[in-house]
Amino acid sequence: NAGVTQTPKFQVLKTGQSMTLQCAQDMNHEYMSWYRQDPGMGLRLIHYSVGAGITDQGEVPNGYNVSRSTTEDFPLRLLSAAPSQTSVYFCASSPKTGSDNQPQHFGDGTRLSIL
Amino acid sequence: DAKTTQPPSMDCAEGRAANLPCNHSTISGNEYVYWYRQIHSQGPQYIIHGLKNNETNEMASLIITEDRKSSTLILPHATLRDTAVYYCIVRGIYNQGGKLIFGQGTELSVKP
Repeated sequence: NAGVTQTPKFQVLKTGQSMTLQCAQDMNHEYMSWYRQDPGMGLRLIHYSVGAGITDQGEVPNGYNVSRSTTEDFPLRLLSAAPSQTSVYFCASSPKTGSDNQPQHFGDGTRLSIL
Repeated sequence: DAKTTQPPSMDCAEGRAANLPCNHSTISGNEYVYWYRQIHSQGPQYIIHGLKNNETNEMASLIITEDRKSSTLILPHATLRDTAVYYCIVRGIYNQGGKLIFGQGTELSVKP
């Protein structure tokens, strides 16, 4: 099992460019989430999904789009990158259980710089 | 989900127990206490979680007070590799999506 795989690991963009951060998991988890982490801060939730075809906003959704066409993949799109989106992005997944108390598994992150 | 309060930093001598406190005075009856850690900007790693009973696994022990307003994560024999930021997170039983609300965490430095 590879777990949660994020690509790319590093990316530099110019302001106004678009890109997609990829996240894939091979654990058949229903739940997937995207977080961003700014220097010296804890992680903040951007968007999350409870299953294929279903997404919802987190704490800081502005400037980001997501879709969930398959259980395995949950890409995060920046339509027009801004310097304020310079951050480390983490994807996470967890299984859905009756009590919803399963821990999340995190990827290694994508370090994004926007000039 | 309830908010948590943690000290910003702590030191611990290698080989000694590290006791990391967390205050969650507004926790409700259907909320779990979770602990994660983040080593050197890697993805957060799950450590342990509990509802009201004390819990132990191969990594750590979690002690929750009887009124559930605070908890302590115990690393029984800290090593240099336990140096990390530790996050205490409260999450509801019916939390859809498994989503977590992170605070600032405690930066634990294990020193030789």
